[in-house]
This record gives sequence, structure tokens and C-alpha cells, in this order.
Amino acid sequence: GIQVEQSPPDLILQEGANSTLRCNFSDSVNNLQWFHQNPWGQLINLFYIPSGTKQNGRLSATTVATERYSLLYISSSQTTDSGVYFCAVVGNSGNTPLVFGKGTRLSVIA
Amino acid sequence: DAGITQSPRHKVTETGTPVTLRCHQTENHRYMYWYRQDPGHGLRLIHYSYGVKDTDKGEVSDGYSVSRSKTEDFLLTLESATSSQTSVYFCAISESQGIGYTFGSGTRLTVV
Repeated sequence: GIQVEQSPPDLILQEGANSTLRCNFSDSVNNLQWFHQNPWGQLINLFYIPSGTKQNGRLSATTVATERYSLLYISSSQTTDSGVYFCAVVGNSGNTPLVFGKGTRLSVIA
Repeated sequence: DAGITQSPRHKVTETGTPVTLRCHQTENHRYMYWYRQDPGHGLRLIHYSYGVKDTDKGEVSDGYSVSRSKTEDFLLTLESATSSQTSVYFCAISESQGIGYTFGSGTRLTVV
């Protein structure tokens, strides 16, 4: 099945810094999403972005489907951005559930 | 609120006992999923359902069974719990396959 690799696995930022999280996938996809899991365990969908670029406030995401990667940008980070960020995909081959990467754990310190 | 609840939120059980986790939705979504989350593994799919009585296996289905007798409920059963099934279990729902997931709050299961 399709493989999803996220980097870096861990990231520590000073409040106000910018960051880029990367998601590489092993095959063509027709669905790519980014999720945030807060320190209390709640999972929230950030972006549905199988291709192109989207922005939502301080967060933006870009997927370059032909090169099999997606990037999540966090600008002017805040302590509330802390948590784990997951990339999840569905391959072009089928109508199947999301396959998740292992996540990037982000800690933003004041 | 998203209209998805998991119960129980926490459970400690003994090795060899059967355990059932419940996921309940009020959104009338067709698709329901069970994932487990373990350190270093992210979220891995256990089973999913695409309709009443329609289910399929995921990546880590061994030792688990599911049932969906009505749209709103998706049950996950550990037939004989083992310590390797200690995990946090998440249920998710979606209207379309793989799109617009809404997750429950999770169930932390400890098998001793």
C-alpha cells in the first residue's frame, strides 16, 4: 500500500518563529489532508489539499502531486500550535480510507 | 459539536477478556472508521464501515472484530485482549470515503 513519511519527527520552536513540515508519499494520490492533534488528544482537520495551495490564517499548505510531497507552513507560531501534525492520503488506486503518516510533534515555547 | 462520541473514554481490562468499544454518531454519515494510535506509529486503520452491515478490514485488523447494525453505531470488539492492544482508539466518521473526517475524542485502553 501507499507509504507516507513525515519530517521532521520532532520540532521545537520559539514563539513567533516560522516552520515547515513535510509529507512525502510513495504513489499518486487523489486525496491528501493535514490534521492537528492538540495536547489533549483531539484531532482536527486542517486542510483537504490533493493539489495546489491553500491558506487559513497563519497556516498554509502546498501539495505538489507530481513530485509526491506536501508542505505545511506555520507562520508566527503560537503556543497553541503545539501538538502533533499528521498528513494522511488516499492513493489513486481506490476508494479507500485515509492512510496516515507517523506525524510531526511540534512544541512551541514562550 | 461534531456529533460523534466514544465510550468508554478510559478502560483498564485484564488479558484474555473481551472488550467492546462503542462509537456513536448523530450525523447520519455513511462511513465510520476505527484507528489505533501508538507512539511511533501514527494512526493505523483497524476496520471501517461503508454502510449498515458493510465492513472491511484495515492494516491492523488481527484480534479485532466490528459490527454495525445501525447507521449511528459502530462497535469495535477485542475478542481476547492482549497487552499489545494497549492503545488509544479513535473513531472517525465521514460522508464520503476518505474525505471530511471528524474524529471522536478517543478511548484509552490499557490491558494488564
